[in-house]
Amino acid sequence: RKEVEQDPGPFNVPEGATVAFNCTYSNSASQSFFWYRQDCRKEPKLLMSVYSSGNEDGRFTAQLNRASQYISLLIRDSKLSDSATYLCVVNVQDDYKLSFGAGTTVTVRA
Amino acid sequence: EPEVTQTPSHQVTQMGQEVILRCVPISNHLYFYWYRQILGQKVEFLVSFYNNEISEKSEIFDDQFSVERPDGSNFTLKIRSTKLEDSAMYFCASSDREPYGYTFGSGTRLTVV
Repeated sequence: RKEVEQDPGPFNVPEGATVAFNCTYSNSASQSFFWYRQDCRKEPKLLMSVYSSGNEDGRFTAQLNRASQYISLLIRDSKLSDSATYLCVVNVQDDYKLSFGAGTTVTVRA
Repeated sequence: EPEVTQTPSHQVTQMGQEVILRCVPISNHLYFYWYRQILGQKVEFLVSFYNNEISEKSEIFDDQFSVERPDGSNFTLKIRSTKLEDSAMYFCASSDREPYGYTFGSGTRLTVV
Protein backbone atom coordinates (compact mmCIF):
# COMPACT_ATOMS: atom_id res chain seq x y z
CA ARG A 1 0.00 0.00 0.00
CA LYS A 2 1.31 3.44 -0.90
CA GLU A 3 2.29 5.66 2.01
CA VAL A 4 0.34 8.60 0.67
CA GLU A 5 -2.41 8.26 -1.94
CA GLN A 6 -4.10 10.99 -3.88
CA ASP A 7 -6.65 11.16 -6.65
CA PRO A 8 -4.51 12.34 -9.57
CA GLY A 9 -7.41 14.27 -11.15
CA PRO A 10 -7.35 16.35 -13.20
CA PHE A 11 -9.98 18.56 -11.65
CA ASN A 12 -11.06 21.07 -14.29
CA VAL A 13 -13.06 23.87 -12.72
CA PRO A 14 -14.29 27.30 -13.84
CA GLU A 15 -12.99 30.45 -12.21
CA GLY A 16 -14.85 31.18 -9.01
CA ALA A 17 -15.78 27.56 -8.35
CA THR A 18 -15.00 25.54 -5.25
CA VAL A 19 -12.88 22.45 -5.61
CA ALA A 20 -12.01 19.89 -2.95
CA PHE A 21 -9.94 16.75 -2.89
CA ASN A 22 -8.57 14.27 -0.39
CA CYS A 23 -5.51 12.29 0.37
CA THR A 24 -5.10 9.17 2.51
CA TYR A 25 -2.03 8.04 4.40
CA SER A 26 -1.18 4.56 5.57
CA ASN A 27 1.11 5.09 8.54
CA SER A 28 -0.88 5.71 11.71
CA ALA A 29 2.30 7.08 13.34
CA SER A 30 2.16 10.09 11.01
CA GLN A 31 2.26 13.29 13.00
CA SER A 32 2.74 16.20 10.64
CA PHE A 33 0.72 16.96 7.56
CA PHE A 34 1.13 19.48 4.80
CA TRP A 35 -0.20 20.58 1.47
CA TYR A 36 2.43 21.67 -1.02
CA ARG A 37 1.87 23.19 -4.41
CA GLN A 38 3.98 22.30 -7.43
CA ASP A 39 3.90 24.11 -10.74
CA CYS A 40 5.07 22.32 -13.85
CA ARG A 41 8.78 21.40 -13.59
CA LYS A 42 9.23 23.60 -10.52
CA GLU A 43 10.03 22.88 -6.92
CA PRO A 44 7.35 22.04 -4.34
CA LYS A 45 6.27 25.05 -2.30
CA LEU A 46 4.55 24.85 1.05
CA LEU A 47 0.92 25.90 0.77
CA MET A 48 -0.10 25.18 4.34
CA SER A 49 0.42 22.91 7.29
CA VAL A 50 -2.60 20.89 8.39
CA TYR A 51 -3.61 20.91 12.04
CA SER A 52 -5.86 18.53 13.91
CA SER A 53 -8.57 21.13 14.38
CA GLY A 54 -8.54 22.06 10.72
CA ASN A 55 -7.24 25.37 9.50
CA GLU A 56 -7.88 28.03 6.94
CA ASP A 57 -5.57 30.31 5.01
CA GLY A 58 -7.53 32.74 2.89
CA ARG A 59 -9.39 30.75 0.25
CA PHE A 60 -7.76 27.47 1.30
CA THR A 61 -9.14 25.18 4.00
CA ALA A 62 -7.43 22.02 5.19
CA GLN A 63 -8.93 19.29 7.34
CA LEU A 64 -7.39 16.29 9.03
CA ASN A 65 -9.23 13.14 10.05
CA ARG A 66 -6.85 10.99 12.09
CA ALA A 67 -9.38 8.21 12.67
CA SER A 68 -9.85 7.65 8.95
CA GLN A 69 -6.32 8.76 8.08
CA TYR A 70 -7.20 11.30 5.48
CA ILE A 71 -6.49 14.93 4.80
CA SER A 72 -8.51 17.25 2.61
CA LEU A 73 -7.96 20.54 0.85
CA LEU A 74 -10.71 22.86 -0.27
CA ILE A 75 -10.14 25.84 -2.53
CA ARG A 76 -12.87 28.47 -2.64
CA ASP A 77 -13.37 31.09 -5.33
CA SER A 78 -10.78 29.46 -7.61
CA LYS A 79 -8.42 31.72 -9.52
CA LEU A 80 -6.58 30.96 -12.75
CA SER A 81 -3.38 31.14 -10.72
CA ASP A 82 -4.54 28.20 -8.59
CA SER A 83 -3.87 25.88 -11.53
CA ALA A 84 -1.14 23.57 -10.26
CA THR A 85 -0.48 20.13 -8.82
CA TYR A 86 -1.27 19.87 -5.13
CA LEU A 87 0.91 17.49 -3.16
CA CYS A 88 -0.21 15.83 0.04
CA VAL A 89 2.81 15.43 2.33
CA VAL A 90 3.14 13.50 5.56
CA ASN A 91 5.84 13.11 8.20
CA VAL A 92 6.19 10.40 10.81
CA GLN A 93 7.28 11.61 14.23
CA ASP A 94 11.03 11.39 14.85
CA ASP A 95 11.53 10.77 11.15
CA TYR A 96 13.53 13.19 9.08
CA LYS A 97 11.88 12.63 5.73
CA LEU A 98 8.71 13.89 4.12
CA SER A 99 6.55 11.38 2.25
CA PHE A 100 4.86 12.83 -0.80
CA GLY A 101 1.75 11.80 -2.63
CA ALA A 102 1.84 11.78 -6.40
CA GLY A 103 -0.27 14.92 -6.53
CA THR A 104 -3.71 16.11 -7.60
CA THR A 105 -3.79 18.28 -10.70
CA VAL A 106 -6.17 21.24 -10.68
CA THR A 107 -6.85 23.32 -13.77
CA VAL A 108 -8.91 26.48 -13.40
CA ARG A 109 -10.38 27.76 -16.65
CA ALA A 110 -11.61 31.25 -17.48
CA GLU B 1 13.07 35.97 1.29
CA PRO B 2 15.95 33.53 1.91
CA GLU B 3 16.27 30.81 -0.66
CA VAL B 4 18.01 27.54 -1.36
CA THR B 5 20.24 27.81 -4.41
CA GLN B 6 21.03 24.87 -6.66
CA THR B 7 23.55 24.61 -9.47
CA PRO B 8 23.55 23.73 -12.26
CA SER B 9 19.91 24.04 -13.28
CA HIS B 10 20.40 21.39 -15.95
CA GLN B 11 23.14 18.81 -16.36
CA VAL B 12 23.57 16.31 -19.16
CA THR B 13 26.01 13.50 -18.55
CA GLN B 14 27.02 10.25 -20.15
CA MET B 15 26.13 6.96 -18.51
CA GLY B 16 28.89 5.86 -16.16
CA GLN B 17 30.17 9.35 -15.50
CA GLU B 18 30.29 10.95 -12.06
CA VAL B 19 28.18 14.03 -11.36
CA ILE B 20 28.14 16.45 -8.47
CA LEU B 21 25.03 18.46 -7.79
CA ARG B 22 25.51 21.55 -5.67
CA CYS B 23 23.28 23.31 -3.21
CA VAL B 24 23.61 26.30 -0.94
CA PRO B 25 21.06 25.91 1.87
CA ILE B 26 19.60 28.79 3.84
CA SER B 27 22.34 30.04 6.14
CA ASN B 28 20.80 29.48 9.56
CA HIS B 29 19.21 26.13 8.71
CA LEU B 30 20.56 22.99 10.36
CA TYR B 31 18.88 20.17 8.41
CA PHE B 32 19.66 19.44 4.80
CA TYR B 33 17.99 17.08 2.36
CA TRP B 34 18.06 15.71 -1.14
CA TYR B 35 14.91 14.57 -2.93
CA ARG B 36 14.40 13.47 -6.49
CA GLN B 37 11.47 13.43 -8.87
CA ILE B 38 11.48 11.28 -11.96
CA LEU B 39 9.39 12.88 -14.71
CA GLY B 40 5.70 12.23 -14.11
CA GLN B 41 6.29 10.59 -10.74
CA LYS B 42 6.15 11.66 -7.12
CA VAL B 43 8.85 13.43 -5.15
CA GLU B 44 11.00 10.84 -3.36
CA PHE B 45 13.24 11.24 -0.34
CA LEU B 46 16.90 10.38 -0.82
CA VAL B 47 18.82 11.51 2.25
CA SER B 48 18.84 13.85 5.22
CA PHE B 49 21.92 15.38 6.80
CA TYR B 50 22.30 16.91 10.24
CA ASN B 51 25.25 17.76 12.42
CA ASN B 52 27.69 16.78 9.66
CA GLU B 53 26.39 13.29 9.18
CA ILE B 54 23.66 11.39 7.40
CA SER B 55 20.64 11.12 9.69
CA GLU B 56 18.46 9.03 7.38
CA LYS B 57 18.60 7.62 3.89
CA SER B 58 16.20 5.79 1.61
CA GLU B 59 16.64 2.56 -0.33
CA ILE B 60 17.33 4.64 -3.42
CA PHE B 61 20.42 6.13 -1.77
CA ASP B 62 22.76 3.23 -2.45
CA ASP B 63 26.56 3.10 -2.60
CA GLN B 64 26.56 5.12 -5.82
CA PHE B 65 25.35 8.16 -3.91
CA SER B 66 27.16 10.29 -1.36
CA VAL B 67 26.62 13.65 0.27
CA GLU B 68 29.03 16.16 1.66
CA ARG B 69 29.12 19.52 3.32
CA PRO B 70 32.66 20.49 2.36
CA ASP B 71 32.52 23.97 3.87
CA GLY B 72 30.09 26.06 5.87
CA SER B 73 27.79 26.81 2.98
CA ASN B 74 27.69 24.12 0.27
CA PHE B 75 25.87 20.80 0.41
CA THR B 76 26.60 18.41 -2.43
CA LEU B 77 25.15 15.21 -3.85
CA LYS B 78 27.54 12.99 -5.78
CA ILE B 79 26.47 10.16 -8.04
CA ARG B 80 29.55 8.05 -8.75
CA SER B 81 28.58 6.17 -11.89
CA THR B 82 25.37 7.46 -13.39
CA LYS B 83 22.75 5.19 -14.88
CA LEU B 84 19.97 6.04 -17.30
CA GLU B 85 17.43 5.64 -14.51
CA ASP B 86 19.15 8.39 -12.50
CA SER B 87 17.63 10.89 -14.92
CA ALA B 88 15.37 13.04 -12.77
CA MET B 89 14.92 16.41 -11.14
CA TYR B 90 16.98 16.59 -7.97
CA PHE B 91 15.78 18.96 -5.28
CA CYS B 92 17.85 20.14 -2.37
CA ALA B 93 16.00 21.39 0.71
CA SER B 94 16.86 22.78 4.10
CA SER B 95 14.94 23.39 7.30
CA ASP B 96 15.55 24.98 10.65
CA ARG B 97 13.58 22.40 12.58
CA GLU B 98 12.52 19.31 10.77
CA PRO B 99 10.01 18.72 9.30
CA TYR B 100 8.75 22.29 9.46
CA GLY B 101 10.18 25.27 7.70
CA TYR B 102 11.30 23.23 4.70
CA THR B 103 12.48 25.30 1.76
CA PHE B 104 13.22 23.58 -1.54
CA GLY B 105 15.67 24.76 -4.14
CA SER B 106 14.56 25.14 -7.74
CA GLY B 107 16.18 21.84 -8.66
CA THR B 108 18.78 20.39 -10.99
CA ARG B 109 17.46 18.49 -13.97
CA LEU B 110 19.85 15.60 -14.54
CA THR B 111 19.73 13.86 -17.89
CA VAL B 112 21.83 10.72 -18.32
CA VAL B 113 22.40 9.71 -21.94
